[in-house]
Amino acid sequence: DVKVTQSSRYLVKRTGEKVFLECVQDMDHENMFWYRQDPGLGLRLIYFSYDVKMKEKGDIPEGYSVSREKKERFSLILESASTNQTSMYLCASTPDRVGGRNIQYFGAGTRLSVL
Amino acid sequence: AQSVTQPDIHITVSEGASLELRCNYSYGATPYLFWYVQSPGQGLQLLLKYFSGDTLVQGIKGFEAEFKRSQSSFNLRKPSVHWSDAAEYFCAVGRSGNTGKLIFGQGTTLQVKP
Repeated sequence: DVKVTQSSRYLVKRTGEKVFLECVQDMDHENMFWYRQDPGLGLRLIYFSYDVKMKEKGDIPEGYSVSREKKERFSLILESASTNQTSMYLCASTPDRVGGRNIQYFGAGTRLSVL
Repeated sequence: AQSVTQPDIHITVSEGASLELRCNYSYGATPYLFWYVQSPGQGLQLLLKYFSGDTLVQGIKGFEAEFKRSQSSFNLRKPSVHWSDAAEYFCAVGRSGNTGKLIFGQGTTLQVKP
């Protein structure tokens, strides 16, 4: 089975802190994604990576950055956390670079609270 | 622009009753369509998918969905709901360009009454 692991289930941070959310997948997948999930808004794509050191902005990239130094690991960075970034963050991966038929495999999520 | 709409934010059904969750999409070509389920405190799990062919697709846990091009819909159904089906359900469509990215609907929360 594909496993996507997010390092923290719950995080509490202070406004202005730099926050790292880590995601690791164990199936040699090409594509990795970071989503934000808020009630009534579904999942919104923050960033997408289709290869090591490659990244592409999603629908709501403002206030976030990402890093993909190794194929299996995709990190989401909040440079200066703000209260409006309190949310559930979900990481996902898919096998191939090109293919609309790809099934996305999700981690369990990180619930971040910024105080 | 592509979009996915789940008209029902919250649905409550009795255990053993039938279930239908609605999903409407906006997309010019034949879409790739998905239903995911999220149990409390968990990530999303794929229930079923439609790429082409037979418009009635079967998924896990006894769920099925029907693609209706004329109505731009991909509704999820289950004949008899179990208490363990209580969860949030998301419909999604593959974005144009075959990038592997998805557009998700807002989600429908299912509550099951004993």
